Amino acid sequence: EAGVTQSPTHLIKTRGQQATLRCSPISGHTSVYWYQQALGLGLQFLLWYDEGEERNRGNFPPRFSGRQFPNYSSELNVNALELEDSALYLCASSAGRLSNQPQHFGDGTRLSIL
Amino acid sequence: GDSVTQMEGPVTLSEEAFLTINCTYTATGYPSLFWYVQYPGEGLQLLLKATKADDKGSNKGFEATYRKETTSFHLEKGSVQVSDSAVYFCAPGGSQGNLIFGKGTKLSVKP
Repeated sequence: EAGVTQSPTHLIKTRGQQATLRCSPISGHTSVYWYQQALGLGLQFLLWYDEGEERNRGNFPPRFSGRQFPNYSSELNVNALELEDSALYLCASSAGRLSNQPQHFGDGTRLSIL
Repeated sequence: GDSVTQMEGPVTLSEEAFLTINCTYTATGYPSLFWYVQYPGEGLQLLLKATKADDKGSNKGFEATYRKETTSFHLEKGSVQVSDSAVYFCAPGGSQGNLIFGKGTKLSVKP
């Protein structure tokens, strides 16, 4: 069974540009989560999508947005990139909305802002 | 709000030593509890979980028991190996569907 896949592995952008990160969940999983792992800050929750709807978002500005497609894959868009957006962005999927369902993570996209 | 506190480390142990990584949390209700491990350059892998009080999760020699009365979920292993060197994250399920992560505990095991 294929795990969560993310693309690209690395992404280099400059300030003010826009970035799009992609995630394919494990087959059969309907929920997708996005987290930011910045150096020294641990993992911060960004967004949660389930069945095509945004269910919750973390404490991030509106320039962080995303969507979930009918096949449950997801993309994260970051507009007007700032230097502090440099981080590892992790996507996770789970089999449903119940909190006892573990989240399974991809290897992440490393976004570097120059 | 929901939060988790775990020792940040780094923790350095010799091979075959006993490992304990403490984790306490604050969360609404009785969340499911997870430990994740992140090896260098990789994403997070689920290590173990417990979904209700007194449950013991175990995997690869690691164990953790859901202690409702102390809101704790300490990770233990009786004999660590060099290959266990990684960052370990305690993660209770948050009230809004997401996992709550601390900064993780970096473990280095020396031969």
